[in-house]
Amino acid sequence: DAKTTQPPSMDCAEGRAANLPCNHSTISGNEYVYWYRQIHSQGPQYIIHGLKNNETNEMASLIITEDRKSSTLILPHATLRDTAVYYCIVRVIDQTGANNLFFGTGTRLTVIP
Amino acid sequence: NAGVTQTPKFQVLKTGQSMTLQCAQDMNHNSMYWYRQDPGMGLRLIYYSASEGTTDKGEVPNGYNVSRLNKREFSLRLESAAPSQTSVYFCASSEAPTGSREGYTFGSGTRLTVV
Repeated sequence: DAKTTQPPSMDCAEGRAANLPCNHSTISGNEYVYWYRQIHSQGPQYIIHGLKNNETNEMASLIITEDRKSSTLILPHATLRDTAVYYCIVRVIDQTGANNLFFGTGTRLTVIP
Repeated sequence: NAGVTQTPKFQVLKTGQSMTLQCAQDMNHNSMYWYRQDPGMGLRLIYYSASEGTTDKGEVPNGYNVSRLNKREFSLRLESAAPSQTSVYFCASSEAPTGSREGYTFGSGTRLTVV
């Protein structure tokens, strides 16, 4: 089962920052937090991941709290093309070493013109 | 740069028919995965293959079988399709199974309807 909690939906005005929260209170010390998004019915797209430090790439920033029990994905200047379902995932490695990702239902972000 | 390729993109089956969903990746990734996504739901892991020659069950393996044919290809078979298997099926791959911090690369999906 997914070990994260996200709000089911959020709206954001075009050009503003979108801040998507995620709770992962049972995260283990060696588990990473990943963010993916799924636009319409396409395959999910990797956005960013982190362990404990804040991370930034060309798509987004990831802020992880010091206790690692929650995180926030930030899209600095949301565009209409950012309308999608955003998944926050805690990565599990099983005994075979497989990099399994368990997806929840995510947050449906709607960017409003 | 194809990434992960799934075939077919669409399929309609009658109850009881069998079929195989194909998946191939050209990124030399070690691990491959099959997920299903029902309407309005997140993705659920069906089977995965941590490396060539190994396969393991995920959350919802019943009614499916898989074959890791070689490092590039990972197929999903429905032996006797049921309406409950109507879903969108996604294949994914990742670079390394252990200690990897890489994300997945997903295919574009196979939309399967069982009538």
